[in-house]
Amino acid sequence: GAGVSQSPSNKVTEKGKDVELRCDPISGHTALYWYRQRLGQGLEFLIYFQGNSAPDKSGLPSDRFSAERTGESVSTLTIQRTQQEDSAVYLCASSLGLAGSNEQFFGPGTRLTVL
Amino acid sequence: AQSVTQLDSQVPVFEEAPVELRCNYSSSVSVYLFWYVQYPNQGLQLLLKYLSGSTLVKGINGFEAEFNKSQTSFHLRKPSVHISDTAEYFCAVSEADSWGKLQFGAGTQVVVTP
Repeated sequence: GAGVSQSPSNKVTEKGKDVELRCDPISGHTALYWYRQRLGQGLEFLIYFQGNSAPDKSGLPSDRFSAERTGESVSTLTIQRTQQEDSAVYLCASSLGLAGSNEQFFGPGTRLTVL
Repeated sequence: AQSVTQLDSQVPVFEEAPVELRCNYSSSVSVYLFWYVQYPNQGLQLLLKYLSGSTLVKGINGFEAEFNKSQTSFHLRKPSVHISDTAEYFCAVSEADSWGKLQFGAGTQVVVTP
C-alpha cells in the first residue's frame, strides 16, 4: 500500500461507549499526526508522534482521548466514554519527519458518529 | 499564535471559468503555506506549497497560488476550472521553525457546474 490507510472507514457508536481508531502510515515515515474534522470546519490538530520521542498531546480535547504508536508503525486513537460532540471525521497523516516544510500525507479518515 | 482565514465558505463557478480562493493568515514568525484539496469521500491531497523563493507557486491540476507577505495572503487560482475540480479546498500554515503542526482554515467548497 502506497498511502496512509485508516480503519474503520465508518463507526457508529452509542454515547458512553469506547472506540478505537487505527492508522497505518506510509512505510518509512517517522512522523504521524491525528486531526479531527468537524462538520463544516477545518482540521483540528490532536496529537503527533515522531519516532520514539514523547508525543505532543497538546491538541487532545480531554482526558477521554488517548493515542499510542508502536515505533514508526501503526497508531491507534482511543476515545473513552464517547459523547455526541465527538462525532467527526478523524484524519491521520504521516510525513518523512518533523519539519514545517515536510508534506503531510493524509489517510481517507474515519467517520465517527456518536448516537 | 497563528490563525488562518478562508474568506469564502462556498464558491460556485461555471465550467471553464476562472476561480480564486482567498486565504489570509496571521503569524508572528515566518511561515510555510499549503493548499490541500479534499475530493468527496477522500483524504486530503496536497495541491501546492510555498516554502521560500518565488512567491508564485504552481501546483498540480493547473492550480497556482501567490504568497503576499505584506498582505499575509496566499490566494489560490485556476484560470479555467473543470467539473472534476468540485471539492473542498483547505489553506494551511505551519511556522517555519516548528515541528510541522499545520493550522488549517475552515475550508472553501468549490462547486463547478456546466
